[in-house]
Amino acid sequence: EDKVVQSPLSLVVHEGDTVTLNCSYEVTNFRSLLWYKQEKKAPTFLFMLTSSGIEKKSGRLSSILDKKELFSILNITATQTGDSAIYLCAADPYAGNNRKLIWGLGTSLAVNP
Amino acid sequence: ETGVTQTPRHLVMGMTNKKSLKCEQHLGHNAMYWYKQSAKKPLELMFVYNFKEQTENNSVPSRFSPECPNSSHLFLHLHTLQPEDSALYLCASSQDPGVDTQYFGPGTRLTVL
Repeated sequence: EDKVVQSPLSLVVHEGDTVTLNCSYEVTNFRSLLWYKQEKKAPTFLFMLTSSGIEKKSGRLSSILDKKELFSILNITATQTGDSAIYLCAADPYAGNNRKLIWGLGTSLAVNP
Repeated sequence: ETGVTQTPRHLVMGMTNKKSLKCEQHLGHNAMYWYKQSAKKPLELMFVYNFKEQTENNSVPSRFSPECPNSSHLFLHLHTLQPEDSALYLCASSQDPGVDTQYFGPGTRLTVL
């Protein structure tokens, strides 16, 4: 059965800390892995990773995929209170024309001032 | 602003009520999705529409009835719901169901009494 496991489930840090969020997956016909940030309600897209070992970066956020060990990490450096959110990871199995993403439970990050 | 809007943002209904959730996307996308997000569970895909045609019904009970009159609008009609249906209902859209990143609306927080 396809699954995505995220760890830790929750994390509390202080502003300025660096955090690493983990996402491991077991998915048949894996195509890509996606990271989303969910504040209050709507998940917003962060990264899509398809190739192993290539880091994607956006400001203080970066992510990398390891297709051999079947995991991805999301790094946030110099955290700010605005980074407090749930970070969702989803794996995309190739399934013809339909996009049925396999979602993790998310990591709830709280950044304290 | 994500380009995907949902109304209402909050809804409380009794088990005998009939209500509808509305989603509209302003992104020119061809695919739209309904998801259910419950506490301590991964996002659950309910329905997928591609060019107004339903392409996925993920074993959703018939008390949830989707409607997609055009590529920009998606409804979820609710009838005789159960308390366990209380959740955050998220709408998403993507350019194409097979390839692209999904963009989410803010969700409707539904409480069934």
